[in-house]
Amino acid sequence: SSELTQDPPVSVALGQTVRITCQGDSLRYYFASWYQQKPGQAPILVIYGKTSRPSGIPDRFSASSSGNTASLTITGAQAEDEADYYCSCRETTNHEVFGGGTRVTVL
Amino acid sequence: QVQLQESGPGLVKPSQTLSLTCTVSGASISSPGYYWSWIRQHPGKGLEWIGYMYYSGSAYYNPSLESRFFISVDTPRSQFSLKVTSVTAADTAVYYCARLRSGWYAFDYWGQGALVSVSS
Repeated sequence: SSELTQDPPVSVALGQTVRITCQGDSLRYYFASWYQQKPGQAPILVIYGKTSRPSGIPDRFSASSSGNTASLTITGAQAEDEADYYCSCRETTNHEVFGGGTRVTVL
Repeated sequence: QVQLQESGPGLVKPSQTLSLTCTVSGASISSPGYYWSWIRQHPGKGLEWIGYMYYSGSAYYNPSLESRFFISVDTPRSQFSLKVTSVTAADTAVYYCARLRSGWYAFDYWGQGALVSVSS
């Protein structure tokens, strides 16, 4: 079972803002990374570290963290942002964990 | 451009051993700072970290999984592999290989995934 807890499915109107969260004790010590997965595709990294985006990830994706909760925000959601989003974190040394995922639907 | 590509049988019989290989291009599998990882996803479910191997040869596994998972690396071939012994239907999943970048604590490159079904 996941040691990281993510939100149930959410929906967002096209062009609006959505924030999804990830909770877990390990987030007090390690930053979360966030992954986007579309149906039938491999996940891709969208956020790592405190708020960093890999090359090619739009700046409408941002992140924040406080205590045991990490958040991913999509500002001005686009149709192509509809996907499952997973958080991941180091649980302990040499032990990684994923959250259960949150499906984001863009209306 | 870093690329990872899984290969292996798509169908394995119960009680047999599942073997997958990940071929890495565009990066050196022996460079420090990277963990060569296996992650799986059961049908319709979330991601599950299986384990990874560091360039030094040290392997680390998900403690929640049974001791049936083994990761090895073949540096000259730029490949790393996963073996799962005594498989059951519960091991049916898409298996991804991925690179974890230690400075980022993030999986920055992924293979496209390999669906492995366990069935007689």
